[in-house]
Amino acid sequence: EPEVTQTPSHQVTQMGQEVILRCVPISNHLYFYWYRQILGQKVEFLVSFYNNEISEKSEIFDDQFSVERPDGSNFTLKIRSTKLEDSAMYFCASRPGPSGRQETQYFGPGTRLLVL
Amino acid sequence: SQQGEEDPQALSIQEGENATMNCSYKTSINNLQWYRQNSGRGLVHLILIRSNEREKHSGRLRVTLDTSKKSSSLLITASRAADTASYFCATAVNTNAGKSTFGDGTTLTVKP
Repeated sequence: EPEVTQTPSHQVTQMGQEVILRCVPISNHLYFYWYRQILGQKVEFLVSFYNNEISEKSEIFDDQFSVERPDGSNFTLKIRSTKLEDSAMYFCASRPGPSGRQETQYFGPGTRLLVL
Repeated sequence: SQQGEEDPQALSIQEGENATMNCSYKTSINNLQWYRQNSGRGLVHLILIRSNEREKHSGRLRVTLDTSKKSSSLLITASRAADTASYFCATAVNTNAGKSTFGDGTTLTVKP
């Protein structure tokens, strides 16, 4: 069964450094998402991406964050200058289409980011 | 309260018993999805129920949706130790982005 994959599974970085989190959504899916989960807290929406552009973003997704779909398979989240509070599990998700059974979002295993 | 709140926060039962978790939300939704998360792991999709549906089944799982009360429940029948996990509801409103808003989750412990 197709799955969303994410790399790396864990990343440790120094405050102020740039990180790029990578995701390979399920092939033929059209909608892509990034969420994060700070330890012990709920999953929070960051950004959605459709038709090669951001369709919605949350207040968390400030100028330090960017997303890109550089080719037909990868979907990346970049944090330009990491802060301690960026430490969290970052989840990528993809969805087949706009309606009906295509609304299900499938999540990847996550990347645990630790900013020191 | 916030969109997508689950109760109880924690539930401990014996293997074989049924587990019921509830989710309440504030705004009109397009669909509601239930996910399971084992400790420190990813989110596993369980069931999606649309706003025009009232009940769905998948194996030992039963989900109900009451849009008049803005609430949903997840019932796990004949629970197993392997069902031990956190369970989240996530609501999606009528936008093209279809982002999901997650609740705080219910931590289920099934004792063998």
